[in-house]
Amino acid sequence: DAGVTQSPTHLIKTRGQQVTLRCSPKSGHDTVSWYQQALGQGPQFIFQYYEEEERQRGNFPDRFSGHQFPNYSSELNVNALLLGDSALYLCASSLGGGWQSGANVLTFGAGSRLTVL
Amino acid sequence: RKEVEQDPGPFNVPEGATVAFNCTYSNSASQSFFWYRQDCRKEPKLLMSVYSSGNEDGRFTAQLNRASQYISLLIRDSKLSDSATYLCVVNMLTSGTYKYIFGTGTRLKVLA
Repeated sequence: DAGVTQSPTHLIKTRGQQVTLRCSPKSGHDTVSWYQQALGQGPQFIFQYYEEEERQRGNFPDRFSGHQFPNYSSELNVNALLLGDSALYLCASSLGGGWQSGANVLTFGAGSRLTVL
Repeated sequence: RKEVEQDPGPFNVPEGATVAFNCTYSNSASQSFFWYRQDCRKEPKLLMSVYSSGNEDGRFTAQLNRASQYISLLIRDSKLSDSATYLCVVNMLTSGTYKYIFGTGTRLKVLA
């Protein structure tokens, strides 16, 4: 049973560049959420995708955008990178959205560690 | 006030000790509660869900107090392998939808 897979695992960018991170959800899951985790902090919710639409969004600027594909995989795009965007980006999958009932457990991928120089 | 608050620690305890963590949440319209474990530079992994009646899984016991809006995690007979960061997660209703809100985590170090 394949878990959540993310790519790339590590990447280094410079300020002003753009980055795309990818996520494949756990088999059987249809909902993908993205989190940013800075060193020493808990994961911060970026947004959630279900049925190829952004269903919820956290307090992140429009530089952060995403997409979900028909096979439930997802991308996170960050434009105009800032030094403060350096973090571990975690993808979590679940089943059935969850934004309406709050009843679903998140399964995380190993993350993509982004360093912005 | 943060939506989910935890004491960041670190908690340094000897092997075999009992240690307890608390987590408070601000939104009374919260649906579900979890404890996740995160090892250094790894992803969070579900440790246990937390139910109103309290639940136990081996050496781990979780409790929920809705009236006081806190959840707790008790670890008995601590092992070296319990050393990790423990994240409190609350699925709370905000702006009409449910979101999973994480605490900053509590670091535990079990010493030989």
